[in-house]
Amino acid sequence: DAGVIQSPRHEVTEMGQEVTLRCKPISGHNSLFWYRQTMMRGLELLIYFNNNVPIDDSGMPEDRFSAKMPNASFSTLKIQPSEPRDSAVYFCASSKDTEAFFGQGTRLTVV
Amino acid sequence: AQSVTQPDIHITVSEGASLELRCNYSYGATPYLFWYVQSPGQGLQLLLKYFSGDTLVQGIKGFEAEFKRSQSSFNLRKPSVHWSDAAEYFCAVGAHGTASKLTFGTGTRLQVTL
Repeated sequence: DAGVIQSPRHEVTEMGQEVTLRCKPISGHNSLFWYRQTMMRGLELLIYFNNNVPIDDSGMPEDRFSAKMPNASFSTLKIQPSEPRDSAVYFCASSKDTEAFFGQGTRLTVV
Repeated sequence: AQSVTQPDIHITVSEGASLELRCNYSYGATPYLFWYVQSPGQGLQLLLKYFSGDTLVQGIKGFEAEFKRSQSSFNLRKPSVHWSDAAEYFCAVGAHGTASKLTFGTGTRLQVTL
C-alpha cells in the first residue's frame, strides 16, 4: 500500500481565499484523523471520522474550517476564508485498530 | 482530560552515546502510550506502543520504552545513538475506546553530534 496520501504537499494562498486539502487513507482503514501542527500549539487534533462519519470535531478552530469524508477512500479539509494564522502543516492519519499511520502533510502558507 | 508532557524541548547527544527522552502523561485509566518520530519535512512514524503487559516495550530502530505507572512516565531510550536518529520525537496518549485518537506532547528535538 502507498500509505496515507495527502495533496497538495505545499499550498500558498492569499488571505481570504478558499483552501482545500485532500487525503486518501490506507485502504481498509475505518478511522481518519486531521491534525494541525504549528510551532505555538504543536500537534492538535482537528477532527476524527469513523466509518466516514464525523465523531469528534471539537478541535476544529472555528466555522471557517470544515471537513468531509464522502467515502472510505477520500477526505477533505476546507478553510474558507483563509487567514494568515491558519498557516501550518496539516496532517491526515488513518487507522484500523490501534496504530495511526500519518501522511506526509500539507504545508499551508496564507499570505 | 488526558495530557502529555515532554519536559525537554531540545537534547544534544554525541553519536554512540545513550539516549533517554522523557515523557509524563496524565490519564484516568490504563493509558495507551506511543512514541512517534518525525524527520524534517516528513510525517510521523510510529516507533513503539504500550497497551498492557510487559512494561518494557521494544520498538523499531533499536528504541525501547518503559512504562512506569507509579511515575506516570513512558521514557524512550536507545543504548547507542546514530547520526540518522536526529529528528523530533513525540510522545502521545491514545483516547479510551479509540486508541489511535492521539493527544501529543510538545515534542523533543534530538540533535546528534559526530
